[in-house]
Amino acid sequence: EAQVTQNPRYLITVTGKKLTVTCSQNMNHEYMSWYRQDPGLGLRQIYYSMNVEVTDKGDVPEGYKVSRKEKRNFPLILESPSPNQTSLYFCASSPRGGSYGYTFGSGTRLTVV
Amino acid sequence: GESVGLHLPTLSVQEGDNSIINCAYSNSASDYFIWYKQESGKGPQFIIDIRSNMDKRQGQRVTVLLNKTVKHLSLQIAATQPGDSAVYFCAESQGGSEKLVFGKGMKLTVNP
Repeated sequence: EAQVTQNPRYLITVTGKKLTVTCSQNMNHEYMSWYRQDPGLGLRQIYYSMNVEVTDKGDVPEGYKVSRKEKRNFPLILESPSPNQTSLYFCASSPRGGSYGYTFGSGTRLTVV
Repeated sequence: GESVGLHLPTLSVQEGDNSIINCAYSNSASDYFIWYKQESGKGPQFIIDIRSNMDKRQGQRVTVLLNKTVKHLSLQIAATQPGDSAVYFCAESQGGSEKLVFGKGMKLTVNP
């Protein structure tokens, strides 16, 4: 089944403790992206990647890092999480970018206390 | 999961009615538009898309209409069912861009 898989689905952590949310897609898509979703603010792009070793900032990149060492994987790294990063996170992939639509994962609900 | 629907405009319809969800987009250069459905606890799911060289596209029980003159997009759902209850987002993209820009969304509630 073609899908984007994120892990974990739920995570509670403490301020300052580094964490990684993994994302993997099995559709051989070139593009991958991370979004966060907050009530009243909608879906906002954090980082995106157009191919292996090619990443760039989205609209809200502060406090996040990403890497794209392999085509299928695009982990999101929070080096020092803070409470304002409590949110619902989605990874998504696309064959060739926005004009071809994105397929989304099921989401990771992160709480930073 | 329920927090996705907070602070959103809501449309309530009766089961069996037709639903129309509207979206105004901002960028006159956008040439690709897509509707997503997000159910509680899930990620956005593709419903239907349309390119700017069309003004109407139909799927199974869904129709998307595009009016480029007034930068307006609508999603029509025929014979709405309880399973259609969800938050619906429109998104736009400009040709060659990696980016999808999402609208704020609308919550559809279908009453049995």
